[in-house]
Amino acid sequence: DAKTTQPPSMDCAEGRAANLPCNHSTISGNEYVYWYRQIHSQGPQYIIHGLKNNETNEMASLIITEDRKSSTLILPHATLRDTAVYYCIPSFGNEKLTFGTGTRLTIIP
Amino acid sequence: GAGVSQTPSNKVTEKGKYVELRCDPISGHTALYWYRQSLGQGPEFLIYFQGTGAADDSGLPNDRFFAVRPEGSVSTLKIQRTERGDSAVYLCASSSGVVQDTQYFGPGTRLTVL
Repeated sequence: DAKTTQPPSMDCAEGRAANLPCNHSTISGNEYVYWYRQIHSQGPQYIIHGLKNNETNEMASLIITEDRKSSTLILPHATLRDTAVYYCIPSFGNEKLTFGTGTRLTIIP
Repeated sequence: GAGVSQTPSNKVTEKGKYVELRCDPISGHTALYWYRQSLGQGPEFLIYFQGTGAADDSGLPNDRFFAVRPEGSVSTLKIQRTERGDSAVYLCASSSGVVQDTQYFGPGTRLTVL
């Protein structure tokens, strides 16, 4: 499994963009980058995933570097409900997810 | 529609007892996963079903842990001779089984072994 490195914690002011980095330098050519988040006392929730190109959906944007060794999840206008632990997970899809310790994002009012 | 449900939400048992944890996946989802999450850690994979069969059980920690999915829908995780170290939140997830599909997680069962 590809190893990931994420900062253990980050703060972001409410209404500002939250940018969460992830290093995945050992990712395989066919592995996607998935992002999930886990709000306190809930199960993980899917956010977005991508292979090479940048992706955007109603929740977030995902920027993947050209060499695919790192990515950034962007929450464009963070709200208090975005406070959670965010996990970056390389995966081929349709297989087990290997969670690391993630980034604990705290949105400050 | 309904999401993944897990019962019970909380289970307290004594060391040495047997427990069963149930997962009801999203209707029509062929893939089902069990994970375990200890305090302060990310979820750890236990077992993955594709239909009725276990496609990957490499995460089961020892032979006290067993899971079944007899009709390809509901799954039960069974733990024999529970130990205090088994205390954790047990999470279930399901997906459609196609490549790239995302996993949808239930709220988990919090197991406490006294």
